[in-house]
Amino acid sequence: DAGVIQSPRHEVTEMGQEVTLRCKPISGHDYLFWYRQTMMRGLELLIYFNNNVPIDDSGMPEDRFSAKMPNASFSTLKIQPSEPRDSAVYFCASTLAGGPREQFFGPGTRLTVL
Amino acid sequence: TQLLEQSPQFLSIQEGENLTVYCNSSSVFSSLQWYRQEPGEGPVLLVTVVTGGEVKKLKRLTFQFGDARKDSSLHITAAQPGDTGLYLCAGGSGYALNFGKGTSLLVTP
Repeated sequence: DAGVIQSPRHEVTEMGQEVTLRCKPISGHDYLFWYRQTMMRGLELLIYFNNNVPIDDSGMPEDRFSAKMPNASFSTLKIQPSEPRDSAVYFCASTLAGGPREQFFGPGTRLTVL
Repeated sequence: TQLLEQSPQFLSIQEGENLTVYCNSSSVFSSLQWYRQEPGEGPVLLVTVVTGGEVKKLKRLTFQFGDARKDSSLHITAAQPGDTGLYLCAGGSGYALNFGKGTSLLVTP
């Protein structure tokens, strides 16, 4: 079975550029989560969706960050404009409602903003 | 936000040693989860503890949930190099989880 798929795995961009990260959750999962991981702050929840609807975006750091989930099998996290302090590993995870709340993580996207 | 503090932050031991890492909070959790993350990968669930005082064993790993459901510990017996990784505890209300910053464990042969 395919797990959570994220693309790209690595992204290097220059300050001011737009960055789009992509995620395909596990088929049938109805919750999707976006996290950011840094050494200083650890793993932070940015936003999560239930049945494609954003439930809580209080972790999104600034208006430069936006996330969408146009359908059950695809989500994007966009940063516009990007800044060096956005450099981090971004993870997408999914889980199934009514289950044991185990979150299945993708391999992450390592973002470097120069 | 329900904060989770993990200690120690880093731990370097030799193969065969025992170790315990801790996850503490001032909040009460309905359940706590432990994940392990290897370099270049996402976290993977090890266990979920639900009942206060509960003890769960996973081979050489023993997980305990505090009686008051505010803290948890992970004990590894006879650590092996394959146990190397970042150990994260997580808890929260509903389906959203708050993660501790983790304990980075290095087991050398």
